[in-house]
Amino acid sequence: EDQVTQSPEALRLQEGESSSLNCSYTVSGLRGLFWYRQDPGKGPEFLFTLYSAGEEKEKERLKATLTKKESFLHITAPKPEDSATYLCAVQGFSGGYNKLIFGAGTRLAVHP
Amino acid sequence: EPEVTQTPSHQVTQMGQEVILRCVPISNHLYFYWYRQILGQKVEFLVSFYNNEISEKSEIFDDQFSVERPDGSNFTLKIRSTKLEDSAMYFCASSESPGLVYNEQFFGPGTRLTVL
Repeated sequence: EDQVTQSPEALRLQEGESSSLNCSYTVSGLRGLFWYRQDPGKGPEFLFTLYSAGEEKEKERLKATLTKKESFLHITAPKPEDSATYLCAVQGFSGGYNKLIFGAGTRLAVHP
Repeated sequence: EPEVTQTPSHQVTQMGQEVILRCVPISNHLYFYWYRQILGQKVEFLVSFYNNEISEKSEIFDDQFSVERPDGSNFTLKIRSTKLEDSAMYFCASSESPGLVYNEQFFGPGTRLTVL
């Protein structure tokens, strides 16, 4: 069964304190791994897609990387506005391969 | 910038009543989805829809649920007889292509369904 596990569940950072969020996955053939940002009471906001091991994508203070078993979301010099829940999701090749399987997310709080 | 829209933002209903949640996907997108998120839990896949038919559905998507694309712009989720456990945030999403590229799913703001 395809699964996604994210750690830590919650992370508190001081403004400017860089860190990484982890997403471990098991999937029967990875089509894509997706990172989303979710603010309270809102829908997930698309950040990145990664398709193959070794791939990296960057956007402002965020950088996503992918290996065969996990993905990291690196946050460099975070600001309070980066506070949100970060969701990881995978698409596999089994069954109807367009559905996203989500992890529980990492709640990030960045304090000034 | 194109976005997925959903109405209403909040729906309160009595147990056993029918509800219809509405979505307008991004205009050039071909693949449509419904997900739900019970408070404090993971986002869960319900159903995907392509070329006017369901392409996949989860175990949650039982006979009480149905989807429809009644015209060229709207995509709806109907729950025939709501239960207390249907209370959740329901998200509509769309993607440009079902293929290996351009398949990022863009989500709407959600409809919060409260069943009393």
